[in-house]
Amino acid sequence: NAGVMQNPRHLVRRRGQEARLRCSPMKGHSHVYWYRQLPEEGLKFMVYLQKENIIDESGMPKERFSAEFPKEGPSILRIQQVVRGDSAAYFCASSPVGLPIATNEKLFFGSGTQLSVL
Amino acid sequence: DQQVKQNSPSLSVQEGRISILNCDYTNSMFDYFLWYKKYPAEGPTFLISISSIKDKNEDGRFTVFLNKSAKHLSLHIVPSQPGDSAVYFCAAVSDKIIFGKGTRLHILP
Repeated sequence: NAGVMQNPRHLVRRRGQEARLRCSPMKGHSHVYWYRQLPEEGLKFMVYLQKENIIDESGMPKERFSAEFPKEGPSILRIQQVVRGDSAAYFCASSPVGLPIATNEKLFFGSGTQLSVL
Repeated sequence: DQQVKQNSPSLSVQEGRISILNCDYTNSMFDYFLWYKKYPAEGPTFLISISSIKDKNEDGRFTVFLNKSAKHLSLHIVPSQPGDSAVYFCAAVSDKIIFGKGTRLHILP
């Protein structure tokens, strides 16, 4: 039973290019969460999705960032026209049920994608 | 506006001693709390949780204490081992899961 898979592990983009980050949740999980970790910072919530639906995008910047979780395939976090300040580690997590989750549930995280913008 | 605060960026503890990591929160509506451990270049892994209706949860060397009146929780690791060196994140759950900035724990030989 594979865990949460994120790819690529490392992504280098030049300013103005687009970045696409992929996340395949654990088998049987239909809820996906994206978090961003800036250097020396904690994990900042970005967006929470269920299959084909965005449940909560209150942590997403209003411009250039979008996320989807189609019926088939991985969840995609898309950053258009990247800037240096987008350089960060982006983590995806999944859970079998949605929020608020029960005390015996938890989020399972992927290993993250390190985005570097030159 | 930080709802979950870990005020110690780092902590050094001698191997075999007790490590105590602290976390404060501002929102009394949080349902329960999680601790995650993170090694460099890896994703966070779940460590232990506690419901808001409990004041203590223990799992092996790890114990989490919750003081609701003070809006404070702590993670105790005893005895501390070299493999415990990592960044520890406190998280609080309501309609979203909010993480603190983390505390880097160094276990000294």
